Amino acid sequence: GENVEQHPSTLSVQEGDSAVIKCTYSDSASNYFPWYKQELGKRPQLIIDIRSNVGEKKDQRIAVTLNKTAKHFSLHITETQPEDSAVYFCAATSGFQKLVFGTGTRLLVSP
Amino acid sequence: GAGVSQTPSNKVTEKGKYVELRCDPISGHTALYWYRQSLGQGPEFLIYFQGTGAADDSGLPNDRFFAVRPEGSVSTLKIQRTERGDSAMYLCASSLLPGMNTGELFFGEGSRLTVL
Repeated sequence: GENVEQHPSTLSVQEGDSAVIKCTYSDSASNYFPWYKQELGKRPQLIIDIRSNVGEKKDQRIAVTLNKTAKHFSLHITETQPEDSAVYFCAATSGFQKLVFGTGTRLLVSP
Repeated sequence: GAGVSQTPSNKVTEKGKYVELRCDPISGHTALYWYRQSLGQGPEFLIYFQGTGAADDSGLPNDRFFAVRPEGSVSTLKIQRTERGDSAMYLCASSLLPGMNTGELFFGEGSRLTVL
């Protein structure tokens, strides 16, 4: 089955800096890679996703890149703000029916 | 309702007791998922319903765990003979179409289970 690894587990940046979170996956058949943001005590919410026929996708300050050959994908947040502080999870499809999540990255943006 | 609704939000029970956790998905969503999230971890897949049937229950940890969705809408996760290791946040998510065709999973706020 699919295995998703995520790093770093924690990331501290100064406001305005960029943040990069990286994930690797094992199943070459995976075709959908979302990123979820979970604030303390809240539900995970989708922030951006990418499908396997695309190498990069951008939405304002966030972007995701995908390298299918290497089986890794990354989340990039530019001009970070304190409200970006949260836990971020990457995920990949397994068997086309479910998502397998990474272990999460706690991002702390200091003013 | 506008989102996925889960009840109870918090459940404290004693070891050995039976618990039920309820999920009311977004109206019209055919796909329903149960995940379990332990502190500091990512959501762990338990079971996936496509309509009324469990299309994939490979994530259920053992036969103490069971889930139903009899009318293709509300789902109940049932845990028998609870153990302290079952303590976690149980998240329900729904999606408009089966599988991952539409992409986004909409999560509920979760049911936090504590087994004493």
